[in-house]
Amino acid sequence: GAGVSQTPSNKVTEKGKYVELRCDPISGHTALYWYRQSLGQGPEFLIYFQGTGAADDSGLPNDRFFAVRPEGSVSTLKIQRTERGDSAVYLCASSPGTGVETQYFGPGTRLLVL
Amino acid sequence: AQSVTQLGSHVSVSEGALVLLRCNYSSSVPPYLFWYVQYPNQGLQLLLKYTSAATLVKGINGFEAEFKKSETSFHLTKPSAHMSDAAEYFCAVNIGANSKLTFGKGITLSVRP
Repeated sequence: GAGVSQTPSNKVTEKGKYVELRCDPISGHTALYWYRQSLGQGPEFLIYFQGTGAADDSGLPNDRFFAVRPEGSVSTLKIQRTERGDSAVYLCASSPGTGVETQYFGPGTRLLVL
Repeated sequence: AQSVTQLGSHVSVSEGALVLLRCNYSSSVPPYLFWYVQYPNQGLQLLLKYTSAATLVKGINGFEAEFKKSETSFHLTKPSAHMSDAAEYFCAVNIGANSKLTFGKGITLSVRP
């Protein structure tokens, strides 16, 4: 079946602009996660959804970052007033949502802020 | 708070040699532990996971890892390296169902012919 998909695969923007990154989880997965991976580092947690609600947003670095999942499926990560330090690969993962389930990762969106 | 330490950033082995990638964790409660692999230009793929059942866990592609509580370790091994094993490997921990993963910095594995 189809895995987690993320669009766009690459995004180049200018400092101060607004960007939206989209994640389509595996069908039927109720849990959805966003991570950020900087060069040479492991992924860092941003936010986790169970259904439509954000169950844990402790990893969002500041109020410029926001994520939604209005219908419990597709999620959008929104970054306002982008800064050069936001440049990274943004990863999305989903899991079935019961027990200690494997998180299945998408290919990521590579964001470059000029 | 939980954390993961992967010492060193790069390991190089000869084809056919033993692969050993080290991972130590810190957790105040019994952890769940994972190894993920990332091939160039691809997403993270689960190799194996420990969820409090057998301490020796077998994964895909001939990899295995052993959970050692006394050493707070979860090292990844493979008896004989193959060229196709060249990739970046991440150890990760979480402390509950459907909770965030905390990743180590990753180790790049190179395999020499």
